[in-house]
Amino acid sequence: DQQVKQNSPSLSVQEGRISILNCDYTNSMFDYFLWYKKYPAEGPTFLISISSIKDKNEDGRFTVFLNKSAKHLSLHIVPSQPGDSAVYFCAAIKLGYQLIWGAGTKLIIKP
Amino acid sequence: DAGVIQSPRHEVTEMGQEVTLRCKLISGHNSLFWYRQTMMRGLELLIYFNNNVPIDDSGMPEDRFSAKMPNASFSTLKIQPSEPRDSAVYFCASKSRDGPKCTFGSGTRLTVV
Repeated sequence: DQQVKQNSPSLSVQEGRISILNCDYTNSMFDYFLWYKKYPAEGPTFLISISSIKDKNEDGRFTVFLNKSAKHLSLHIVPSQPGDSAVYFCAAIKLGYQLIWGAGTKLIIKP
Repeated sequence: DAGVIQSPRHEVTEMGQEVTLRCKLISGHNSLFWYRQTMMRGLELLIYFNNNVPIDDSGMPEDRFSAKMPNASFSTLKIQPSEPRDSAVYFCASKSRDGPKCTFGSGTRLTVV
């Protein structure tokens, strides 16, 4: 039972353009949603989060949008930079501590 | 802030040996998580501590795995005896009371031969 789904295993974007990473969820009881970035041989790095009562949160080049009726969230990166190439994980928090992870999307930024 | 520190970064051991993975939390954080990452299953939560007390250990695979938190800043994950199927990257993460952000260590890559 996949409660958090990232349906795109990979995404390729031109440097300078917008990257949009998508995530769907099935459980309406999640408290928060988070995005993490992961480079090979490193731990996941926190990027941005959004409370389930909000619909948008912005931090520099990163914006997360939450559509509760569609049970969908997306991460926008503008403008995309070469250092953004990594695997991006969507995660949801249940019961205040339990992180439910998506399978990840590999983002490739082309020069 | 040194972040979450895990040791060793890499561990190669023979089947049947005891393995101990170590984790130092970020100062002031009160929640500690041990995760395991494999190609097949992605990131799995093994155990969650809050204020040094194990709250959820439902992800611990079997009795060969044990975790302790002897004080507020340090934790160990022990596998005894180790088996080849335990080969994975093990992550430790910590979190404060404020907000949902969980900070991960760099992981320990364990290979059991």
